[in-house]
Amino acid sequence: QSVLTQPPSASGTPGQRVTISCSGSSSNIGSNTVNWYQQLPGTAPKLLIYSNNQRPSGVPDRFSGSKSGTSASLAISGLQSEDEAGYYCAAWDDSLNGYVFGTGTKVTVL
Amino acid sequence: QVQLQESGPGLVKPSETLSLTCTVSGVSITSYYWTWIRQPPGKGLQWIGYIYYTGSTNYNPSLKSRVTISVDTSKNQFSLKLSSVTAADTAIYYCARGVAETDANWFDPWGQGTLVTVSS
Repeated sequence: QSVLTQPPSASGTPGQRVTISCSGSSSNIGSNTVNWYQQLPGTAPKLLIYSNNQRPSGVPDRFSGSKSGTSASLAISGLQSEDEAGYYCAAWDDSLNGYVFGTGTKVTVL
Repeated sequence: QVQLQESGPGLVKPSETLSLTCTVSGVSITSYYWTWIRQPPGKGLQWIGYIYYTGSTNYNPSLKSRVTISVDTSKNQFSLKLSSVTAADTAIYYCARGVAETDANWFDPWGQGTLVTVSS
């Protein structure tokens, strides 16, 4: 049951900036930190952003995350062909007492 | 380097119990917490539950009545059991390490995943 809403798709040409939104509520994004996961085709998800805006070691700095109120965003600047993947936001939900994922966004590089 | 590997049957009959094991290498399972996530083919991610090495668990409310997660510290493994499965439980099942810090938690790394199909 996805309680975090993302656009199903996003696209851009190489070099462009793409932004993905993640809309939640006061019980999840509004009161907890947001993480983002990248899922390349045919592979397991990988942590991309944690604690709203922190990048794990090895993640390029063209990926950035932000949070405001009950929404969060992932930005990819300088889009590259290898960024073509699925992207999921996620957060703890205090009402459900569980971890919830977003509906997922497929990014296509034109 | 922390690595996780799922193992278990790839085919389970309806009404039976799905059983998977995740073997952890590169870190002691007595650190961090450990979680299961699943993804139906072509669909999004669903958190199933997590366990601490002490045995303390937390499950997704929508699956709670059918899920059991356990840990074997001597083997550095944790396991998932999902009972009374139906076709709706067909999915790729991932195990992952949970990291918790002040006011934040995330899953990293993930295992490669294993496809479990429910069919007679």
